[in-house]
Amino acid sequence: DTGVSQDPRHKITKRGQNVTFRCDPISEHNRLYWYRQTLGQGPEFLTYFQNEAQLEKSRLLSDRFSAERPKGSFSTLEIQRTEQGDSAMYLCASSRTGPEQYFGPGTRLTVT
Amino acid sequence: AQSVTQPDIHITVSEGASLELRCNYSYGATPYLFWYVQSPGQGLQLLLKYFSGDTLVQGIKGFEAEFKRSQSSFNLRKPSVHWSDAAEYFCAVGEQAGTALIFGKGTTLSVSS
Repeated sequence: DTGVSQDPRHKITKRGQNVTFRCDPISEHNRLYWYRQTLGQGPEFLTYFQNEAQLEKSRLLSDRFSAERPKGSFSTLEIQRTEQGDSAMYLCASSRTGPEQYFGPGTRLTVT
Repeated sequence: AQSVTQPDIHITVSEGASLELRCNYSYGATPYLFWYVQSPGQGLQLLLKYFSGDTLVQGIKGFEAEFKRSQSSFNLRKPSVHWSDAAEYFCAVGEQAGTALIFGKGTTLSVSS
């Protein structure tokens, strides 16, 4: 049983550059979530997809952030014009019918 | 608004000793409750969950948690801690399937020999 996978695991970028992360959910999980986790904090919700529809977005998701799930399978999270404050762990989770969510290993972003 | 409080930022326990990590939540009804564990640089692994029914729930790795409605608490316990249990533990609350989980700030567990 393959878990949630995320790529890349680590990304170092310069301020002002654009970055894109990918998440592959557990097979047959129609719900997909993105969270952001900064040092010493718990994960904070960014956005949620059911199949290909983006149903909820947090106020944390500024205009520089965009997420897609074009065919209801994998998802991408893009950050444009990165800022140092974007440095964080970006976590993806998926679920099927229940409220429990299964997390991937995360993408660690460092903006220099 | 929903919130989760984990009062202990860092706890150190001797190997073989018992463990209790505290979690209090604020929510209007009975929420879905979860405990996750995170090793350094890794994602979160689901330890256990409570939806309804028996207030004492069993999870993986020998962990259990007890839901106490009167205290709005969902504390995590383990009778005998192993060195491999050293990690960060997060309590989370959810409203229903397809909604965001609200996490506490976590408790870091260190295990001494």
